[in-house]
Amino acid sequence: NAGVTQTPKFQVLKTGQSMTLQCAQDMNHEYMSWYRQDPGMGLRLIHYSVGAGITDQGEVPNGYNVSRSTTEDFPLRLLSAAPSQTSVYFCASSYSLAGAETQYFGPGTRLLVL
Amino acid sequence: AQSVTQLGSHVSVSEGALVLLRCNYSSSVPPYLFWYVQYPNQGLQLLLKYTTGATLVKGINGFEAEFKKSETSFHLTKPSAHMSDAAEYFCAVSGTGTASKLTFGTGTRLQVTL
Repeated sequence: NAGVTQTPKFQVLKTGQSMTLQCAQDMNHEYMSWYRQDPGMGLRLIHYSVGAGITDQGEVPNGYNVSRSTTEDFPLRLLSAAPSQTSVYFCASSYSLAGAETQYFGPGTRLLVL
Repeated sequence: AQSVTQLGSHVSVSEGALVLLRCNYSSSVPPYLFWYVQYPNQGLQLLLKYTTGATLVKGINGFEAEFKKSETSFHLTKPSAHMSDAAEYFCAVSGTGTASKLTFGTGTRLQVTL
């Protein structure tokens, strides 16, 4: 199993550009989520999905869009990049939405918005 | 609302010394508690978790944590630090029973010196 994979590893954008961060998992997990990690702030939830076709907002959803057309993939779209979106982005998945489930994290995408 | 407080953003110990990373939580419902570790340039991985039952939880790499309800704490310990333990450690709480409500602390960076 590859687990949770993310591409790209690193990206530089100019303000106003759009891009899609890719996330895939091969564990047949129903629950997938996106976090951003900023210094001194821990991880904050952006969006999550409880299955194909079902998504919902997390703590910091503004400026991001998601969709889930398959169980395996959960891309995160930046509609118009801003410097405040400079961060490290992690995708995670778990077997279910239950609070006791272990989250499995991808290696992250480091994004710099100029 | 639930929250996690990690005391000390940086902790330095000598190799072979006791590791103690502090975590206090607040939750209006019985919590699920987690410790995740992030090695440099990698995603997070689960060290250990408390869901129900025994309050002393053993994890990977010799780490353990004790759930103390009266103190609302879930401190992480390891009797003897190794150089390979240098990483960032995150405490997290899922107090409402769903993974979408997983709240992370701000992290503690552990440095291990010779």
